[in-house]
Amino acid sequence: GESVGLHLPTLSVQEGDNSIINCAYSNSASDYFIWYKQESGKGPQFIIDIRSNMDKRQGQRVTVLLNKTVKHLSLQIAATQPGDSAVYFCAERDNSGYALNFGKGTSLLVTP
Amino acid sequence: GAGVSQSPRYKVTKRGQDVALRCDPISGHVSLYWYRQALGQGPEFLTYFNYEAQQDKSGLPNDRFSAERPEGSISTLTIQRTEQRDSAMYRCASSSQGLAGGGNEQFFGPGTRLTVL
Repeated sequence: GESVGLHLPTLSVQEGDNSIINCAYSNSASDYFIWYKQESGKGPQFIIDIRSNMDKRQGQRVTVLLNKTVKHLSLQIAATQPGDSAVYFCAERDNSGYALNFGKGTSLLVTP
Repeated sequence: GAGVSQSPRYKVTKRGQDVALRCDPISGHVSLYWYRQALGQGPEFLTYFNYEAQQDKSGLPNDRFSAERPEGSISTLTIQRTEQRDSAMYRCASSSQGLAGGGNEQFFGPGTRLTVL
């Protein structure tokens, strides 16, 4: 079936550097994508979203890029901080129009 | 304001017992979702409610799983005759928009960790 997956299971960056987390999706009909951050023992927390009619969206220190041609999604975190350490999931809204289909997650570790 | 809450946070039960997991969505949120999350994996969709109507239960693994949201607010996920393979984190999420909504920002609860012995 259709799936969402991540290229790298773990990513280690130094504090202050920029982080890039990548995600590939296979459902070309997906119209909405979300990045979630999940800290240990907590539920996924919304970071940023993007609709399929956009290719870039910026938030506070975060940017999401969408490349529909190659069905690729990325999350860029500027000036990564220790508090950014968490597992990051990308998710796509599936054909139902409401259910989210999550990938496996990338663990981001920020070292001082 | 209060986010999505779930209870109990941890549930240990013996195989064959029934369990009921509760979700309190954010007040006023129209949509409510149940997901199951395995360790190291993203949440997996189970079922969806729009107000009190269960619109989609295609993700429920089998007929031992059921969910209800009788008054369009609190929801209960029930698992009958639990099996060890049911052990997982069960997460609830809610969103302010219904089926006609454009975005789908779902706010997740802390989850209920179910362990079936």
